[in-house]
Amino acid sequence: QVLLQESGPGLVKPSQTLSLTCSVSGGSINSGAYYWTWIRRFPGKGLEWIGSIHNGGSTHYNPSLKNRLFISQDTSENLFSLNLSSVTVADTALYYCARVEAVAGVHWFDPWGQGTLVTVSS
Amino acid sequence: DIQMTQSPSSLSASVGDRVTITCRASQNIGKYLNWYQHKPGKAPQLLIFAASNLQTGVSSRFSGSGPGTEFTLTINSLQPEDFATYYCQQGYSTPWTFGQGTRVESK
Repeated sequence: QVLLQESGPGLVKPSQTLSLTCSVSGGSINSGAYYWTWIRRFPGKGLEWIGSIHNGGSTHYNPSLKNRLFISQDTSENLFSLNLSSVTVADTALYYCARVEAVAGVHWFDPWGQGTLVTVSS
Repeated sequence: DIQMTQSPSSLSASVGDRVTITCRASQNIGKYLNWYQHKPGKAPQLLIFAASNLQTGVSSRFSGSGPGTEFTLTINSLQPEDFATYYCQQGYSTPWTFGQGTRVESK
């Protein structure tokens, strides 16, 4: 059973960089069958896909965040990471990591981590 | 971006009821629609992928229909553990987008 666990600071100051890590157990992020992704849930309930990374290191970013976003992976530690720069209060959200599965062109997220709350505040 | 619109945003139902949630896409996405259940403090759970395929381990009282632009999630004989928020998500093209969620509450 693949399990994902997010970690990182819960409080980030405006204009700083938000950095989170997703540790994966029960499976290798090197598996070519999957992407690995970040998603966030805003206080008003809406969900937003942030971006994904494939085992070859290729990335796909949400265009709305592309200029501030960097997703990387550490295959030796079996984890992947999110860096979001120049944060504002609008980046306050519950951040999830998840595995992306794709079959016949359909992409879905399963499983997800429990999520970690990040608050942007001075 | 493909916009996903769910309705209703919330509903009240009783155990044993049949519940239907609708998700509309701003363009034809074929069968590329997935449904998730989310309970507070827990990881969201995939229920249905590709419009109508039940994820392994998910109760058969959940079903989905499509394809095209209008999709439905149906819960037959609602159980106490089904009170949660449900989201649709289009897996057709990036940026992958979600509906705003439907909260199913106890009447």
